[in-house]
Amino acid sequence: KNEVEQSPQNLTAQEGEFITINCSYSVGISALHWLQQHPGGGIVSLFMLSSGKKKHGRLIATINIQEKHSSLHITASHPRDSAVYICATTRGSTLGRLYFGRGTQLTVWP
Amino acid sequence: NAGVTQTPKFRILKIGQSMTLQCAQDMNHNYMYWYRQDPGMGLKLIYYSVGAGITDKGEVPNGYNVSRSTTEDFPLRLELAAPSQTSVYFCASSHLRDVSYEQYFGPGTRLTVT
Repeated sequence: KNEVEQSPQNLTAQEGEFITINCSYSVGISALHWLQQHPGGGIVSLFMLSSGKKKHGRLIATINIQEKHSSLHITASHPRDSAVYICATTRGSTLGRLYFGRGTQLTVWP
Repeated sequence: NAGVTQTPKFRILKIGQSMTLQCAQDMNHNYMYWYRQDPGMGLKLIYYSVGAGITDKGEVPNGYNVSRSTTEDFPLRLELAAPSQTSVYFCASSHLRDVSYEQYFGPGTRLTVT
């Protein structure tokens, strides 16, 4: 069993819809990372958070440490948000290496 | 800053051939990593390094070797290519910020072994 689980695996939305991607983890972490991978493959870090909530433009990431759960929200989704969103964790003892979920493929239609 | 750079972008190898995937970063990060990404699977750690001269195995090191002679460079060597090594390879670097490590990825190398 992967220690970082994401859902859903695939998500299709209409432009303008509110999107939520969920991530749960089983091992204690120092931080949770949300990454974005566009077609063409490059991976970009969106958020790194260890508590509470962070916002960047239309993207919001939240984490509940007690429940070992994080969500990534996209408000007013747009076709350019179509990408794979990857949840990953780091632990204090393992020097920045990431433990990855399998990713969520998001497709936003105009 | 160029960030993390990788070469080549694409490569086709025959079974048994060798090659080196190059990775460099200009951010003076101590921590560097090699990951592979297979379709439908999460990225897996191959090797990592915490500084020049120090490397260690990740989850899937078999068939690979690394070296870290400088802070900037972290090449990945495939000695005897096998079809199971067909994958997309990402190099990454990180630095400590607040309580954890902020991550920077290279653009990836798509390798096919036939």
